[in-house]
Amino acid sequence: DTAVSQTPKYLVTQMGNDKSIKCEQNLGHDTMYWYKQDSKKFLKIMFSYNNKELIINETVPNRFSPKSPDKAHLNLHINSLELGDSAVYFCASSQDVQGDQPQHFGDGTRLSIL
Amino acid sequence: AQSVAQPEDQVNVAEGNPLTVKCTYSVSGNPYLFWYVQYPNRGLQFLLKYITGDNLVKGSYGFEAEFNKSQTSFHLKKPSALVSDSALYFCAALGGGFKTIFGAGTRLFVKA
Repeated sequence: DTAVSQTPKYLVTQMGNDKSIKCEQNLGHDTMYWYKQDSKKFLKIMFSYNNKELIINETVPNRFSPKSPDKAHLNLHINSLELGDSAVYFCASSQDVQGDQPQHFGDGTRLSIL
Repeated sequence: AQSVAQPEDQVNVAEGNPLTVKCTYSVSGNPYLFWYVQYPNRGLQFLLKYITGDNLVKGSYGFEAEFNKSQTSFHLKKPSALVSDSALYFCAALGGGFKTIFGAGTRLFVKA
């Protein structure tokens, strides 16, 4: 059973479009995250939610809007996609927000902007 | 500023030899430290963590890490490398505001 699953795995779209990435975890964790990994493999936190409540909101353009309908799901909607948004986006979850427990990652969504 | 440094972009080692992947950190308070591994087209996988206790932490797949408070280091080690250990390794530390700070990653190549 996949613990953290993201869809779609690949997303190829044109500049200016709006797209969503979905994430679900079946680990019963309270906290979920979105990370962006660029072409040099740098990993940067974008958002985190704990029990549907926004905890971390990094300096991300407001074109990016996370939504957590329940604690098992954290979706990412991106408006007006730009070339610089091309990256791999990872969803992750952890038992709680304290940070002393490991994070479990999905396999990523590879976003390519044409 | 809080940070995690992995000074080597790449580490090359022959199969059967010991390996070390270096990590230093700069965080306030007691450090919570982690190592993750990433295989191609996969997400990060947890290897081990240090929260408190013994300075030598054992983890998955025969990996271990040594915490050194005076040198603010948390180096990843394995006594005998396997070709299948070739991957990208990330050191991470818990920073302020519940944020995990990741190092830039070190690519490990194990040659047969």
